[in-house]
Formats: sequence, C-alpha cells, structure tokens
Amino acid sequence: DAGITQSPRHKVTETGTPVTLRCHQTENHRYMYWYRQDPGHGLRLIHYSYGVKDTDKGEVSDGYSVSRSKTEDFLLTLESATSSQTSVYFCAISEAGLAGELFFGEGSRLTVL
Amino acid sequence: GESVGLHLPTLSVQEGDNSIINCAYSNSASDYFIWYKQESGKGPQFIIDIRSNMDKRQGQRVTVLLNKTVKHLSLQIAATQPGDSAVYFCAEQTGTYKYIFGTGTRLKVLA
Repeated sequence: DAGITQSPRHKVTETGTPVTLRCHQTENHRYMYWYRQDPGHGLRLIHYSYGVKDTDKGEVSDGYSVSRSKTEDFLLTLESATSSQTSVYFCAISEAGLAGELFFGEGSRLTVL
Repeated sequence: GESVGLHLPTLSVQEGDNSIINCAYSNSASDYFIWYKQESGKGPQFIIDIRSNMDKRQGQRVTVLLNKTVKHLSLQIAATQPGDSAVYFCAEQTGTYKYIFGTGTRLKVLA
C-alpha cells in the first residue's frame, strides 16, 4: 500500500469554524491531490499540487485553500466551514502528472453541523 | 460534456463466476484509464490501468478491456470471491492532473 496518511479521519464541526485536513505521504511523489466524494457524484477535484509551493485549483475549489510547504505534506483548509462541505475527503498522490497511477488515502469524513 | 458513466449501479454474481463491470467514457482524447475498488469506509484502491495504445491488459484475476471505437471500458474479474464485494469505478485522465471518475458499480458476491 502507498504510504498516505490522512488526519483527522473523522471530524464534526460547526458552521463557520475553520478546519484543516492533513495529508502526509512517505512515497516522495511529486503530485498530490485533494478530492471530495459525495453520494451520486464521482470523486471531484478540489485542489492539486505539482510540487512544493506549487498548487492549483480543481473543479470545486470554492471555499477551500491548500498549502504544500514540504514534499510530504499537503494541507486542505476550509476557512469557514459550511454544511455543503460535509463530505468525505480523499488525498491522492502520483509520481507522474500524465498516465501516472493515482493512489488514495483512507479518507477524512467531515461533518459540518 | 465530458463524462464517465457506468451501465449498472449494482451487479450481483455468484461466487466463483466471472464478473464484468462496464464503463463508458465520452472524451475520445483520453489516453489513460484506471479501475479502482472501494470497500466501505476505505479509500479507493488501485486495481489496474490501461493506456489508449492498448486494447487489453491483464493482472491477477483481473482484465481490463478498452474499446476506443465505442469508448467503452470494462473490468473482468475471474472466479469472483466474497472479498471482491465492493464498489468499483473507472477513471479517465483527460489532461495533466485531470481525472474524471465514474460514480461506481456495487458488486455483490453471492455465496
């Protein structure tokens, strides 16, 4: 299994509070991604990173920000959580930007009340 | 628009039989495809991939077939086992860093 650790695995928070999810990898892969998974939808890309301090938006980036200060860590922040951000969040890594196997973490379930 | 869809939301197969899970894609420019298995409460697990210059690729008990003419992808699981019960979904890479994921097919293995 790819060495990807997400934390926390479960979190319940209230609307308007900030939340940070952490993804840590031990594979030294260059590319890291944050996805959300909701019923009836395929995984949707929030943000991705193609190197340290190099990040870009995905298709559902509103309300989210990311940071990558080290190769192994990719943080996802919800500055002010809303109920629509209740979801399961997955971090993924790959070695190549094209035709690279995409490996996922175990997920972080976030509930915003 | 671009889409990756699955023909059947739920597939029930008898233990020991072969399973076939299908996926349609709409972006003819996609050149890389992946199949994932996701068990309840876990992250998607990479099963097998295939590039567009191939029609077939085999792994251990799994085979992926790619038909570019009709933009169809399938995953075949031989001698399906109870441990194969999960949601399976396909993904296509449509550009650098850009993947489109299907919503999944639930495979139920009957004893």
